[in-house]
Amino acid sequence: SAVISQKPSRDICQRGTSLTIQCQVDSQVTMMFWYRQQPGQSLTLIATANQGSEATYESGFVIDKFPISRPNLTFSTLTVSNMSPEDSSIYLCSVPRSGGSTDTQYFGPGTRLTVL
Amino acid sequence: QKEVEQDPGPLSVPEGAIVSLNCTYSNSAFQYFMWYRQYSRKGPELLMYTYSSGNKEDGRFTAQVDKSSKYISLFIRDSQPSDSATYLCAMSGGSGSARQLTFGSGTQLTVLP
Repeated sequence: SAVISQKPSRDICQRGTSLTIQCQVDSQVTMMFWYRQQPGQSLTLIATANQGSEATYESGFVIDKFPISRPNLTFSTLTVSNMSPEDSSIYLCSVPRSGGSTDTQYFGPGTRLTVL
Repeated sequence: QKEVEQDPGPLSVPEGAIVSLNCTYSNSAFQYFMWYRQYSRKGPELLMYTYSSGNKEDGRFTAQVDKSSKYISLFIRDSQPSDSATYLCAMSGGSGSARQLTFGSGTQLTVLP
């Protein structure tokens, strides 16, 4: 299975600021995914990040709020912009289980964000 | 109606008990079925993965898929305190991108020593 790391593991931020979360994978992958897990809730897909193209955002998520970079096949960042307390969540990146077939995914450890 | 329904629990059982975790779904196009285990303050860990209907066993864990009933289950035999976690079912292969996973809300399990 892929080894995925995320930085930071947790952070406490002030309202109105931005935080960039990094995701590093130990192997090259075409697609990376970003999820949000709000307190007591399940996972919601924010966007799919493909190397060399714009990220694809799910309904309810916009690029201005969650800009994503994908500079190479092992790395991606998600920025949470102009934060409010409602953005307090765990943010997770994931990669497909194998190659381009994404029948399932492996997840990173998550970034626990608290916005005051 | 949510695409995937999962009993949120919490579920508390004594050590050694057999645990049954279940999800129902409405999208008949789902073909891939997964169970993830998430310990507190950790990311989800892929536990079991099955394709289409049938059973799959891995040690103390058995995953069952009944596509005709749109029902999946995870059984844990001889449960241990280390099994205490939130269990998430997930599915893919529905309309739109097959790469999307649709998750249940998770069942919180506590195994008491």
